[in-house]
Amino acid sequence: NAGVTQTPKFQVLKTGQSMTLQCAQDMNHNSMYWYRQDPGMGLRLIYYSASEGTTDKGEVPNGYNVSRLNKREFSLRLESAAPSQTSVYFCASRGLADNEQFFGPGTRLTVL
Amino acid sequence: EDQVTQSPEALRLQEGESSSLNCSYTVSGLRGLFWYRQDPGKGPEFLFTLYSAGEEKEKERLKATLTKKESFLHITAPKPEDSATYLCAVQGSSNTGKLIFGQGTTLQVKP
Repeated sequence: NAGVTQTPKFQVLKTGQSMTLQCAQDMNHNSMYWYRQDPGMGLRLIYYSASEGTTDKGEVPNGYNVSRLNKREFSLRLESAAPSQTSVYFCASRGLADNEQFFGPGTRLTVL
Repeated sequence: EDQVTQSPEALRLQEGESSSLNCSYTVSGLRGLFWYRQDPGKGPEFLFTLYSAGEEKEKERLKATLTKKESFLHITAPKPEDSATYLCAVQGSSNTGKLIFGQGTTLQVKP
């Protein structure tokens, strides 16, 4: 089992460019989450999907969109990147029987 | 509003010097309090879940405890490989699994 995988690992964008961060899990989990982590701010929830077919906003959704493509995959899209979106992005998943979330290795994004 | 505060922000210990990390929280309807370990450049790794005041869990040199207002992560006789950032998070009354994280405590254990 690979657990939670994320691509790419690193990305540099120019202001105004768009990109999609990919996340997949092979644990048959129902819920998936996108966080960003900034120095001194901790992990903050951007969007989540409690189950396949549903998505909801978290604490900091502005500037992002998500797609729950199927049970395994949950993508995060930046339509027009801004320097304030420079951060490390983590995807996580959670099963029905679990309370804990399992995290991927992260994507380090820099917006110039 | 749900909130989590961790202290201290950074902690330096000598190998074998025991100490505790604090996680204070306010949440409406605690469904769980979680401890994670994060190594530089990696994603958080799950350590413990605590559900009710008085509960304790142990794993090697780590023991987590919970009261109605705070949790402690006790580190007994730490080793250099325990150096990492320790994150605390709470899940409130919603069943969506949404977590509120603290800012973390960065622990450095010197040999």
